[in-house]
Amino acid sequence: QSALTQPPSASGSPGQSVTISCTGSSSDVGGYNYVSWYQHHPGKAPKVMIYEVSKRPSGVPDRFSGSKSGNTASLTVSGLQAEDEADYYCCSYGGSSNNFVVFGGGTKLTVL
Amino acid sequence: QLQLQESGPGLVKPSETLSLTCTVSGGSITSSGSYWGWIRQPPGKGLEWIGTIYYSGTSYYNPSLRSRITVSVDTSKNQFSLKLSSVTAADTAVYYCARCTVDYSYGMDVWGQGTTVTVSS
Repeated sequence: QSALTQPPSASGSPGQSVTISCTGSSSDVGGYNYVSWYQHHPGKAPKVMIYEVSKRPSGVPDRFSGSKSGNTASLTVSGLQAEDEADYYCCSYGGSSNNFVVFGGGTKLTVL
Repeated sequence: QLQLQESGPGLVKPSETLSLTCTVSGGSITSSGSYWGWIRQPPGKGLEWIGTIYYSGTSYYNPSLRSRITVSVDTSKNQFSLKLSSVTAADTAVYYCARCTVDYSYGMDVWGQGTTVTVSS
């Protein structure tokens, strides 16, 4: 199973916007609109920030947005705040007969 | 409010079998559209999906771990479990259980706090 490809790091100053990419294949990201994004602070449980490419769960700030083009999904964090500093992981459904779920390698977001 | 809690030994010897249980509270493991999964994070590395099961018993495994994994469900106890055989130091990780729901297009909306498992003699 090949992990989805994410940049290892990203950064931005408070108030700025940052976009994190997640590249897969036609078997996962490109084949389904079932991409989710997770925020993970060390020592805590991951938290879903985006599901179904661009939908936000209740309680997630609208500063977080998602999109997809072809085999690449993206997470954009606008108006960066200090508490946004965390690891972010993309995840895609891969089909019931293939890799049911596959994660990206993770991106460390630093707020400068 | 749905909650998940992992339990099991924190230390496992090499070549032995790692066994973890996830207890579901505040909801039913037989809830339609809810799948139950295991994810791990080795030290310094990213999240890795291990396997997922539906209450009916239908299971899905990470191909790279398939030969060593068994995920099972006990609806009477509202629990699901993970067994990973022939462990090595590479299986040392924080293990999470999570609900994977069709309402989130198979996204994971509820997670346990995680349990650390160390493989060492």
